[in-house]
Amino acid sequence: TQLLEQSPQFLSIQEGENLTVYCNSSSVFSSLQWYRQEPGEGPVLLVTVVTGGEVKKLKRLTFQFGDARKDSSLHITAAQPGDTGLYLCAGVIIGYGNKLVFGAGTILRVKS
Amino acid sequence: NAGVTQTPKFQVLKTGQSMTLQCAQDMNHNSMYWYRQDPGMGLRLIYYSASEGTTDKGEVPNGYNVSRLNKREFSLRLESAAPSQTSVYFCASKRTATGPEAFFGQGTRLTVV
Repeated sequence: TQLLEQSPQFLSIQEGENLTVYCNSSSVFSSLQWYRQEPGEGPVLLVTVVTGGEVKKLKRLTFQFGDARKDSSLHITAAQPGDTGLYLCAGVIIGYGNKLVFGAGTILRVKS
Repeated sequence: NAGVTQTPKFQVLKTGQSMTLQCAQDMNHNSMYWYRQDPGMGLRLIYYSASEGTTDKGEVPNGYNVSRLNKREFSLRLESAAPSQTSVYFCASKRTATGPEAFFGQGTRLTVV
């Protein structure tokens, strides 16, 4: 059983479309992060959210942290082929020994 | 900047063999982690070390042992490899256990036949 449920598992869209990836848990996070991973490489941090209700923007990427700090979303506007990759949410869950745990990931493919 | 360095990058083992995966970081981070990555499973935490001198189990510790040799180095040992341990292994470090960003090595691709 995954502590972080991430959906969808796979997304294939056309260039210019919008998309949203979700990360949910029944537990409360002290912080939540989104990473992107390229083939053959380790994950690289995109953003960290800490405060419930927080919204952060990184160019065409918008990250939102739920008010109760149990869920998060990643929204990409006007996706481009360069956005193709594996997106992972990760969090430090309160009361879980400060372990950094990951969701299963979303494979995004943007076709030109 | 080396960051997090893992060795080896690739390894093939026979069932029952043992091996140690090495990880070193040069960022003076306190916390270090070992993950395995399998298709459709994301990264699953095997063991972590919140600070030098401490280690703790993660989500999938069975079949593995770890050693936090010093602040820089955190090794993962497979005592008797099994085909189910075929995976890509990542080491990561953070400034502190509650700190914001984890830095990852490039991974070790392990195949157990």
